[in-house]
Amino acid sequence: DTAVSQTPKYLVTQMGNDKSIKCEQNLGHDTMYWYKQDSKKFLKIMFSYNNKELIINETVPNRFSPKSPDKAHLNLHINSLELGDSAVYFCASSQSGGSFFGQGTRLTVV
Amino acid sequence: KQEVTQIPAALSVPEGENLVLNCSFTDSAIYNLQWFRQDPGKGLTSLLLIQSSQREQTSGRLNASLDKSSGRSTLYIAASQPGDSATYLCAVTPRGLTGGGNKLTFGTGTQLKVEL
Repeated sequence: DTAVSQTPKYLVTQMGNDKSIKCEQNLGHDTMYWYKQDSKKFLKIMFSYNNKELIINETVPNRFSPKSPDKAHLNLHINSLELGDSAVYFCASSQSGGSFFGQGTRLTVV
Repeated sequence: KQEVTQIPAALSVPEGENLVLNCSFTDSAIYNLQWFRQDPGKGLTSLLLIQSSQREQTSGRLNASLDKSSGRSTLYIAASQPGDSATYLCAVTPRGLTGGGNKLTFGTGTQLKVEL
């Protein structure tokens, strides 16, 4: 059973479009995250939700809007996509211990 | 602002060697430190988690140590194998994060290649 799953795995889209990435975890964790890995492979946190409430927003442009319908799901919606949004986006979850990551969504904006 | 650095950036070793990967962080007020591996095109796999009160953790051929006062952690891999080839990332969680959560600040990674 996949612990943290995100869809789609690959996403290619044109500039200006709006797209969503979905994430689900079956670990029963209270906290979920979105991280971005740039072209230099550096990983940086974007958002964190604890039990459906936003607790971390790392100065991400407001074109990015996370939504957590319940504590097992955290989706990421991106408006007006730009070339610089091309990256790998990782969903993760944690409880009192370590973090567990999904397989990533490779977003390419053309 | 927490900064995490990993040395070396890349490492190539013959199979069977024991090796050490280094991680340093600038702010010693951490809650825990976690080591991950990332295979090309794949997600992150958690290897070891060390709480701030612990000095080391072991799993199979892997041993991670933590010296919080000096801001350092090492990942020791014994008897390396070609299957160990991957990028290794360390990440720290700050102490005192309100509202729960395990916000990670990642290092720059060490790309390891183990050759036959």
